[in-house]
Amino acid sequence: DAGVTQSPTHLIKTRGQQVTLRCSPKSGHDTVSWYQQALGQGPQFIFQYYEEEERQRGNFPDRFSGHQFPNYSSELNVNALLLGDSALYLCASSRKARSHEQYFGPGTRLTVT
Amino acid sequence: LAKTTQPISMDSYEGQEVNITCSHNNIATNDYITWYQQFPSQGPRFIIQGYKTKVTNEVASLFIPADRKSSTLSLPRVSLSDTAVYYCLVGDGPGSSNTGKLIFGQGTTLQVKP
Repeated sequence: DAGVTQSPTHLIKTRGQQVTLRCSPKSGHDTVSWYQQALGQGPQFIFQYYEEEERQRGNFPDRFSGHQFPNYSSELNVNALLLGDSALYLCASSRKARSHEQYFGPGTRLTVT
Repeated sequence: LAKTTQPISMDSYEGQEVNITCSHNNIATNDYITWYQQFPSQGPRFIIQGYKTKVTNEVASLFIPADRKSSTLSLPRVSLSDTAVYYCLVGDGPGSSNTGKLIFGQGTTLQVKP
């Protein structure tokens, strides 16, 4: 049983560019949440998708957007990249939207130069 | 939202029992208490969740006093591989304002020494 998978593993982008990160949830899970983790900090909630809709959103600008597909996989898009967007981006899945028992992927390390 | 306070860091030795306490004075009636573990360059891993008294699984025990204003994660006989950051979170109960939205603090960095 595959767990949560994310791609790519690492990514280097230039300021002003756009990036798309991908996530496949654990089998049997229908909810996907995205988190940003800066070095030395705890993960910060970006948003959550359930039934292909954004259900909750953290304190992130509109440059951060997402999508969930019918097979429950999800994408995180970040436009107009800033140096401060450099972080580990984590995807987590769960069986229901309102659960604190979430399964995290290994993350995508984004570096903005 | 209920805020949590944990020690920034703790040291222990292999084979010892480690207890990490988390304060959550403003916990709501419906809130659950959840603990996560995170190794470097990996995503957090769910350890345990509880509402009151004591919960035990194959990895840890969670002790919650009657007033629920704090909780203690207990790791029995730690090994070097238990070196990680441990996060305490509250929420997830029916009507809670942050169900499904995990709010991580700084966590407690546990260093297990040989």
